[in-house]
Amino acid sequence: SQQGEEDPQALSIQEGENATMNCSYKTSINNLQWYRQNSGRGLVHLILIRSNEREKHSGRLRVTLDTSKKSSSLLITASRAADTASYFCATATIGAQKLVFGQGTRLTINP
Amino acid sequence: EAGVAQSPRYKIIEKRQSVAFWCNPISGHATLYWYQQILGQGPKLLIQFQNNGVVDDSQLPKDRFSAERLKGVDSTLKIQPAKLEDSAVYLCASSPLAGGGYYEQYFGPGTRLTVT
Repeated sequence: SQQGEEDPQALSIQEGENATMNCSYKTSINNLQWYRQNSGRGLVHLILIRSNEREKHSGRLRVTLDTSKKSSSLLITASRAADTASYFCATATIGAQKLVFGQGTRLTINP
Repeated sequence: EAGVAQSPRYKIIEKRQSVAFWCNPISGHATLYWYQQILGQGPKLLIQFQNNGVVDDSQLPKDRFSAERLKGVDSTLKIQPAKLEDSAVYLCASSPLAGGGYYEQYFGPGTRLTVT
């Protein structure tokens, strides 16, 4: 069963611009995680944000979480060609032992 | 620290044949996961082990899929017999602690299976 849904499904921007991806989910969560997948490095964990947190930063990445709206956003600032990848949100519902992944956003950075 | 290892990286088989995938998690990681990722979709959890016990296998098609994790370390996922719809990338992941969804997971490179 799908919990998170990413929006947009695909995004194409110019190098140096900022990229924003959104994730909406249906049930209460313990945490929400963002992962990146490209052909070179497989699926890589980016950030974990817990339900009692509103914002987290990691380098050029900024994640926000709004539990009242059941949504999260991932912002990548000053994008680079190497950021071209698919980005997935994954949610861990309260009491659950597993992550449920969304369908992903395919991000393309044009030089 | 060595990452999650998987083999083979690619496999092509005919329908009704059998296939097995192997995973070696990061040393010391208690929890091991097998995911199926169909092209254009996110990974779907097939089975989750904590040490050598099964925590969740609710989405594992048990009539054709089986998995084991001997001695709480390596794991093998088997499909017998394969169907066309089993064509996908099979990802193995591990995490250091129990409570699978509560912590980040480390993924292997995956095995791309094509069933013809």
